[in-house]
Amino acid sequence: IAGITQAPTSQILAAGRRMTLRCTQDMRHNAMYWYRQDLGLGLRLIHYSNTAGTTGKGEVPDGYSVSRANTDDFPLTLASAVPSQTSVYFCASSERGNQPQHFGDGTRLSIL
Amino acid sequence: GQNIDQPTEMTATEGAIVQINCTYQTSGFNGLFWYQQHAGEAPTFLSYNVLDGLEEKGRFSSFLSRSKGYSYLLLKELQMKDSASYLCAAMDSNYQLIWGAGTKLIIKP
Repeated sequence: IAGITQAPTSQILAAGRRMTLRCTQDMRHNAMYWYRQDLGLGLRLIHYSNTAGTTGKGEVPDGYSVSRANTDDFPLTLASAVPSQTSVYFCASSERGNQPQHFGDGTRLSIL
Repeated sequence: GQNIDQPTEMTATEGAIVQINCTYQTSGFNGLFWYQQHAGEAPTFLSYNVLDGLEEKGRFSSFLSRSKGYSYLLLKELQMKDSASYLCAAMDSNYQLIWGAGTKLIIKP
């Protein structure tokens, strides 16, 4: 079934550890996005990529990095996790920037 | 600044009609999206408006007024499965989505 796959589904992580959240799509979409969702707040864009080989910073990029080596994969890395990064992380993709975004099932991350 | 406002929570009765309002302020505008999100799940796309007027899609309709910075989502013949959060998002001049915090819709029998 075509779509977006995120891994892991959930993770508990000690503060200071490095963590990479994986995101893979098989729809050949050009644009990909990473959001975090916190209670009472709207989805906030962390980083995005309009096409393979390019990335950009969103609203809340500090403490996170991304890469887009190919069309399908868009991993998000927390270099040194802090408790404020406890959140639900969603990866999304769209055919182009002005098209509807399709979301993965999310990664629930807790930093202790 | 950029901002999206929508009610935090609404309650409606099964079989009835409910309208969820959204006002937006963005730097440029490239359309208004509505998404549905059930608890613990991913958002799913419902509708997209870029021109003024009403777009109807089955039991769901979405309206846009660009001059007023206003949109609404209309849900008819409510079913229990419609209990979810409804997210309003406006696309700015950089084609980035600015998201509201979501409206939690509670359907009562």
